[in-house]
Amino acid sequence: QVQLVQSGAEVKEPGASVIVSCKASGYTFTGYYMHWVRQAPGQGLEWMGQINGGSGFTVWAQKFQGRVTMTRDTSISTAYMELSRLTSDDTAVYYCAKDTNTWSIDYWGQGTLVTVSS
Amino acid sequence: QSALTQPASVSGSPGQSITISCTGTSSDVGGYNHVCWYQQHPDKAPKLMIYDVRNRPLGVSNRFSGSKSGNTASLTISGLQAEDEADYYCSSFRSGNTWVFGGGTKLTVL
Repeated sequence: QVQLVQSGAEVKEPGASVIVSCKASGYTFTGYYMHWVRQAPGQGLEWMGQINGGSGFTVWAQKFQGRVTMTRDTSISTAYMELSRLTSDDTAVYYCAKDTNTWSIDYWGQGTLVTVSS
Repeated sequence: QSALTQPASVSGSPGQSITISCTGTSSDVGGYNHVCWYQQHPDKAPKLMIYDVRNRPLGVSNRFSGSKSGNTASLTISGLQAEDEADYYCSSFRSGNTWVFGGGTKLTVL
């Protein structure tokens, strides 16, 4: 069965960077896009970007231009999302989520809480 | 890049039907038939309920249906049940190969 297992919670100071990992299993990692979606406390879902598991091609929301880096390691079926220059507004649960190849998401990771605080 | 517009909350009694709207622009909802709806219970990951405007994934109840007219998509839930109480989010493919979510709608089953 498909599983997306994310790295654990992080606490970062303002200005720092954070890397969240997402290990996939149960499907062909290189055959699908992986999305990154975040949700601030009590707020809605926010699409951050996506990476092609095979080619590594990435697209991200304009809001995160210059601050987000998405990579993947196909040898271990793992996707990574790095967000830099953190502020308190970046405090959120970050999800990785598998695309269906039909413009939808069918599986989600368990979420990684990133707290930005001095 | 603004989010799609959804009502903050809707409510209905068990057995009734409710509809949640999702309004975008011609660059997203109106321009593509790639609108999805997700259900999210508290402290849980979202679950796909509708994709490509009106299609249900296997295992999703046929009480859930989707439609679209112009720049507005809609999710209808018929025969409301207590378990339907959750937050609902629409999403759409957007020009530039990006995606966008709606602000979310809290459904209360009275």
